[in-house]
Amino acid sequence: DARVTQTPRHKVTEMGQEVTMRCQPILGHNTVFWYRQTMMQGLELLAYFRNRAPLDDSGMPKDRFSAEMPDATLATLKIQPSEPRDSAVYFCASGLGRTNTGELFFGEGSRLTVL
Amino acid sequence: EDKVVQSPLSLVVHEGDTVTLNCSYEVTNFRSLLWYKQEKKAPTFLFMLTSSGIEKKSGRLSSILDKKELFSILNITATQTGDSAVYLCAVGRNNDMRFGAGTRLTVKP
Repeated sequence: DARVTQTPRHKVTEMGQEVTMRCQPILGHNTVFWYRQTMMQGLELLAYFRNRAPLDDSGMPKDRFSAEMPDATLATLKIQPSEPRDSAVYFCASGLGRTNTGELFFGEGSRLTVL
Repeated sequence: EDKVVQSPLSLVVHEGDTVTLNCSYEVTNFRSLLWYKQEKKAPTFLFMLTSSGIEKKSGRLSSILDKKELFSILNITATQTGDSAVYLCAVGRNNDMRFGAGTRLTVKP
């Protein structure tokens, strides 16, 4: 049963540490999104890839966040250095389509706590 | 600035009630509007709307889009406790998909 897989599911780290979150999109999907969800801000778009090319990362704090797709089966989101305000659930979602009109399939999320 | 606004932010009803959730948007390069349901974990897809005035229906849930007035509604009839969740509205644009803050629906027995 096809699904988006995210690791780790939970991560607790200390301020200043590097955090890497990984996502395996559904095989054959050509769009990948990273979202961050907090109680205060809801779902915020961080980055978006189509056919592995980054199309939009304007929502991402560039000084500490980076997103890459080294190949079609792996997307990564890295935070270095992490700060307490980065504590949130990070969702990866993938979809299929030339243009961004269709359904996204979400992973279970990575819950990050930065102490 | 593009925005997706959902109302109400939260709603408490009793089983059997009918609810209407609202989503208004102001975005450039609109492509589609989608509704998702989020329980404890990841959002799951409900509907995608691209044309005005055409109702999408799935069981007790239905949704419609008005592209002239820039809003959509999600209706749930005969609510059940299992409908308790956060309902998210998302607007697909040329290059991304933006979500509203969600409406938290609580259905009491």
